[in-house]
Amino acid sequence: EVQLVQSGAEVKKPGESLQISCKGSGYIFTNYWIGWVRQMPGKGLEWMGIIYPGDSDTRYSPSFQGQVTISADKSINTAHLQWSSLKASDTAVYYCARLGGVGYCSSTSCSRAFDIWGQGTVVAVSS
Amino acid sequence: EIVMTQSPATLSVSPGERATLSCRASPSVGSNLAWYQQKPGQAPRLLIYAASTRATGIPARFTGSGSGTEFTLTISSLQSEDFAVYFCQQYNYWPLYTFGQGTKLEIK
Repeated sequence: EVQLVQSGAEVKKPGESLQISCKGSGYIFTNYWIGWVRQMPGKGLEWMGIIYPGDSDTRYSPSFQGQVTISADKSINTAHLQWSSLKASDTAVYYCARLGGVGYCSSTSCSRAFDIWGQGTVVAVSS
Repeated sequence: EIVMTQSPATLSVSPGERATLSCRASPSVGSNLAWYQQKPGQAPRLLIYAASTRATGIPARFTGSGSGTEFTLTISSLQSEDFAVYFCQQYNYWPLYTFGQGTKLEIK
């Protein structure tokens, strides 16, 4: 079964650092772009960035560039989303999702939808 | 800037009836448009990609149509499990993936 399994919920204080993870299984992890999506409480979906685990090529949404770091460890089929200094406004559910299905896709660009999603990681930041 | 606008924000429909959800893109996104369903407390689920192709396991009552700037998701004969929030998303402009703000489909 193709799946993405994310790390558990986190409760943090402002200024703290955090890394959450997304582990893929059931497919060749290095061959598919993985994206991260934020959903703030009661709000819609916001695309944050994507990474190609095969070579760690990473692209960011302009809204999140410099605010987070996306990385991948292909030896353990896992992508990460990292903050160096959390803010209360980072409180949200974060999803990882695979760019899959039909459509042109290579290691340098991809025209596909997010076909497999992780279950989400709740991040709560409060003093 | 790529903007995806969904309408209406909330749609009230009775079970068994048809629901029609709209998504407008600016600028054109060709056919690189997906629809997702999200139920409370769950991750989004891919319903439609390439504007009109149902994803694996999606019932035939879900139909996507349109191209360019105007897209529609039609759900014929609504079932109880279809009441959820629906998002459209464009993936035409690498590496930007823009979502619409969502339409909440509620029971009338």
